[in-house]
Amino acid sequence: EAQVTQNPRYLITVTGKKLTVTCSQNMNHEYMSWYRQDPGLGLRQIYYSMNVEVTDKGDVPEGYKVSRKEKRNFPLILESPSPNQTSLYFCASSPLLAHTTDTQYFGPGTRLTVL
Amino acid sequence: KQEVTQIPAALSVPEGENLVLNCSFTDSAIYNLQWFRQDPGKGLTSLLLIQSSQREQTSGRLNASLDKSSGRSTLYIAASQPGDSATYLCAVRRGKAAGNKLTFGGGTRVLVKP
Repeated sequence: EAQVTQNPRYLITVTGKKLTVTCSQNMNHEYMSWYRQDPGLGLRQIYYSMNVEVTDKGDVPEGYKVSRKEKRNFPLILESPSPNQTSLYFCASSPLLAHTTDTQYFGPGTRLTVL
Repeated sequence: KQEVTQIPAALSVPEGENLVLNCSFTDSAIYNLQWFRQDPGKGLTSLLLIQSSQREQTSGRLNASLDKSSGRSTLYIAASQPGDSATYLCAVRRGKAAGNKLTFGGGTRVLVKP
């Protein structure tokens, strides 16, 4: 089954404790992206990657890092989490716009709470 | 900068009534437009994708139209059911030069009352 998986699904942590949210897709997609969703602000892009070893900032990259060492994985790293990073995080993947019908597939989300 | 707006923010209708959800965007240079459904605490499910060259797309009770020149899309859901209660998001996608970026609207929260 084609899917995007994220782990963990729920995480409660404390300020300053480094954490990683993993994202993996099994569709051989070149493009992967991270979004955060906050009430009243909608979904905003954090980082994206067009292919292995190619990453770039989205709209709200501050406080986050990503890496793309393998095509299927795109982990999101919070080196020193702060309470304003409490949010619902989504990973997404898609082909690199080979066709105008290409859609982005979303993971189930990770709800992060930073105390 | 692309901005996407969805009106209304919330909508409550009795079962059986047709739903009309609106989405507007400021930059007409889009690659495609997508409508998603999101259930509380869950991920996003793609409902319909309209290519920039298309005027509408249909799937079952759902019909989405696109008027690129005026920066508008409308999602119609016929004969609504309680199971249609969810938040509906529209998103416009830019091309590779803009990082394949999806820009989302704030969503319309729909409640269909039995």
